[in-house]
Parts: sequence; C-alpha cells; structure tokens
Amino acid sequence: QKEVEQNSGPLSVPEGAIASLNCTYSDRGSQSFFWYRQYSGKSPELIMSIYSNGDKEDGRFTAQLNKASQYVSLLIRDSQPSDSATYLCAVIGIKAAGNKLTFGGGTRVLVKP
Amino acid sequence: EADIYQTPRYLVIGTGKKITLECSQTMGHDKMYWYQQDPGMELHLIHYSYGVNSTEKGDLSSESTVSRIRTEHFPLTLESARPSHTSQYLCASSDYGAGGSKDTQYFGPGTRLTVL
Repeated sequence: QKEVEQNSGPLSVPEGAIASLNCTYSDRGSQSFFWYRQYSGKSPELIMSIYSNGDKEDGRFTAQLNKASQYVSLLIRDSQPSDSATYLCAVIGIKAAGNKLTFGGGTRVLVKP
Repeated sequence: EADIYQTPRYLVIGTGKKITLECSQTMGHDKMYWYQQDPGMELHLIHYSYGVNSTEKGDLSSESTVSRIRTEHFPLTLESARPSHTSQYLCASSDYGAGGSKDTQYFGPGTRLTVL
C-alpha cells in the first residue's frame, strides 16, 4: 500500500462545474496536509495547506480533512480551463524525519470548455 | 512565500561530464530538498538537508551528491552524467517547525537535464 494514494485520472469536468479530488494516507499520526498544483513541465505550486479536521476555503478552492477516515480532499468550484493540471496531495507523517513530504502520484484534471 | 531559484533552467550535456545544479533561497529556510521527476511521473525525494553541514539521502537512490555549506545554497552534483540521469530536478525549501505554515515546502522552477 502506498503511503499517499490518489486516483491518477484524468478527471474530466465541464467548465463551471465542481471538480472533486480525493487523497487517502496510511500514516494515522500525520499532522500536515497539502495540495499542490503542477502544470505540465512546471514545478509544483502550493494551493492549500490544512492541519485540522474540517473544511478550509480559499477562493474557489476548499480543502477537507478527515483524520479519522484518513482522507483529505480538494474541491475546485467554478472550474476553469486554466485549472487543467495535475494536483498533488502531500502529507507530513508523524514519523517523517526532516518534515519530509510524502507525495501522492497526482490526479490529472482536465477542464473542458 | 519563499523565493527559491534554480540554475540553469535547461541543460543539455554529453555523457561523462561533471555537472552542478544550483539552488538558492533567500528566506533563510533551514530545510532544503532535491526531487527528481520524469515527465508525467511521480516526484521522488533524492536528497534533503536540515541545515548547514547536514545532508541526508532521500527515498530514491541517486548517484548525485549534495552539499550545504551555506543556509541559502544547496547545490547538487553529478560527477559523471549519463543518459539515465535525464530528468527534471526540483529544489524546495521549508522553514523548521512542526505544524502551521512553517513546514510548507516551496519549490523552485526546476532544472530540466538532458544527457546525450
């Protein structure tokens, strides 16, 4: 079992719809969770960080964390073609030396006009 | 937000050459990281550093080496480049501390290396 798992996609959504991305993790003691967006050939850029159970909203993005179920999700509202990218879930486990991030494989999102 | 720089952005080089990929950050972050990523594939951590004079190997075995003589500088060296080293190399940094924004990693723009 991979430490951080994501559906590789592609997740195809029409423009204006909500894109829902899920991520599960295996280290129950994990405390810090991140969503990065990566355009093809570019480096990852941080979208959201979340540390407590519940929802965290930032513009069109909402991160949701459920530690009991060991999943973190990202909602993208009013999806735009510019949101087409790979979205990486990353987790810092309780045992992570140096606060190393463990990345999932990423979910490719394709927003169709 | 961190300012983190990588040079060169693109490098095409012949087999057997020694190369150094540069990474610098201006935020005074203690921790720095090198990742390797092939197109369309996952990120793999190859080296990290807690601070000056601290370096550790990452999860993916790499023939590269790193050094951390100054807080802001974390270069990666390949003594003898081979075609199998062709990849994108990404540098990242984060501040020290558990929880909160201090453990967020910020990435540089990357170096795309091609070894012929």
